[in-house]
Amino acid sequence: NAGVTQTPKFRILKIGQSMTLQCTQDMNHNYMYWYRQDPGMGLKLIYYSVGAGITDKGEVPNGYNVSRSTTEDFPLRLELAAPSQTSVYFCASSTTTGGTQYNEQFFGPGTRLTVL
Amino acid sequence: TQLLEQSPQFLSIQEGENLTVYCNSSSVFSSLQWYRQEPGEGPVLLVTVVTGGEVKKLKRLTFQFGDARKDSSLHITAAQPGDTGLYLCAGGAYDTNAGKSTFGDGTTLTVKP
Repeated sequence: NAGVTQTPKFRILKIGQSMTLQCTQDMNHNYMYWYRQDPGMGLKLIYYSVGAGITDKGEVPNGYNVSRSTTEDFPLRLELAAPSQTSVYFCASSTTTGGTQYNEQFFGPGTRLTVL
Repeated sequence: TQLLEQSPQFLSIQEGENLTVYCNSSSVFSSLQWYRQEPGEGPVLLVTVVTGGEVKKLKRLTFQFGDARKDSSLHITAAQPGDTGLYLCAGGAYDTNAGKSTFGDGTTLTVKP
C-alpha cells in the first residue's frame, strides 16, 4: 500500500514560471488537502477537497489552484511563481470512520519548492 | 479563525529526562491529533483524542485532552534520542468545516544521548 505519493520531490522554478505538484492516494479517502510548511513552522492549509468535483479554499489560497476530477488525484497548480511560494508542500488525505470525520490525516513525503 | 498555540517552541533535553508539550486554544475542537515529523518527511499521526478529559498512552507517550476540549498535552517519559522531531498538534473543526484541521506551529524536540 503506497498511501499518499507526491511528485516531484524537489523543484526549482524561476519567477513567473508555472508548475503542477502531483498528489495521488490509493486509500480511497474522500478528503484531500494541500498544505505548505515554511521553515520552523506548522502547516498552513492551501486548499482542500471533500470529494471528487468539490474543492474549497483554505487559509492561504492566493497564487494556487486545484482540481479534483477523481478520488485518487488532487493536483496543485502554481501560476506565476513568486519567491514567497518557496516552501515545502505536503498533500494529505483522510476519511470518515463509522461515519464520523476524526480528521486523522495521512501525509505524503512532500515537495520542496524553491522559487528564484 | 481557530488558533492553536504550542509551547515550548523548542526543547532540548538529555536522554532519560521527562518532558511535557502543550497545545492551547480558545476554540473548542471536535477532535485533536498529535503528529511527529522527522526532517525531510511528512507528519505521521501519533494519536487522536476525542472526548473531553480523555487520556491515551502510547508506550512512553501520554496524551491528554482538556475537559473543555480546548487544549491538550503530550508527556514523554524517559525520552530517547529516537523521540527527536517536530511535534505538531492539530484541532478538528465542527459541522460545515468538518474535515478541516488547524495546526499549531509545533514543538521541536531534541533528545541528546
